Amino acid sequence: DAKTTQPNSMESNEEEPVHLPCNHSTISGTDYIHWYRQLPSQGPEYVIHGLTSNVNNRMASLAIAEDRKSSTLILHRATLRDAAVYYCILRVSNNAGNMLTFGGGTRLMVKP
Amino acid sequence: DAGVTQSPTHLIKTRGQQVTLRCSPKSGHDTVSWYQQALGQGPQFIFQYYEEEERQRGNFPDRFSGHQFPNYSSELNVNALLLGDSALYLCASSLFGDLYQPQHFGDGTRLSIL
Repeated sequence: DAKTTQPNSMESNEEEPVHLPCNHSTISGTDYIHWYRQLPSQGPEYVIHGLTSNVNNRMASLAIAEDRKSSTLILHRATLRDAAVYYCILRVSNNAGNMLTFGGGTRLMVKP
Repeated sequence: DAGVTQSPTHLIKTRGQQVTLRCSPKSGHDTVSWYQQALGQGPQFIFQYYEEEERQRGNFPDRFSGHQFPNYSSELNVNALLLGDSALYLCASSLFGDLYQPQHFGDGTRLSIL
């Protein structure tokens, strides 16, 4: 399966935008890019996903590079509650079993 | 609408013992996956159950086994516990074959081996 690379940690100020990068240079044409986050003492929760076009939802935006070799999760106004580990995951289209392959993720720290 | 529920929340065992963890999927979901998360690492896939059968398995020994019941709930069993089995065990539910909808995770069972 294609792998993703993320920075180990990032820091942001409260109420400022946060851009979390993810590299996936070996992505195949039908792999979906998914983002999950894990708040302290909780299980992972879905954030957003996309294939080729940029995507927006109530939680975040996902910007996907034209060559799809990288993507960026955008939190428009970070809050203290957004402090979590963010995982960028590629979901293989022929993986009917839906297993998720997590990497180490990016630990986001938000300063008040 | 209840999400994924796991029990117990915490468990302490000693080496060599056996443990059973339980998971109830989100309403409407038919597939349950189990993950192991060691401290400071991302979750690692153990196996997945659909229609009461193991459908996929990660790189885990046979000491790890599972079961799915007709109501879609699931159990994870670990035999001959080792110190290295200390971890957070996460259950996730989904619809089989649906790559577009997210998996829903429970908050896990924290297993400590003494």
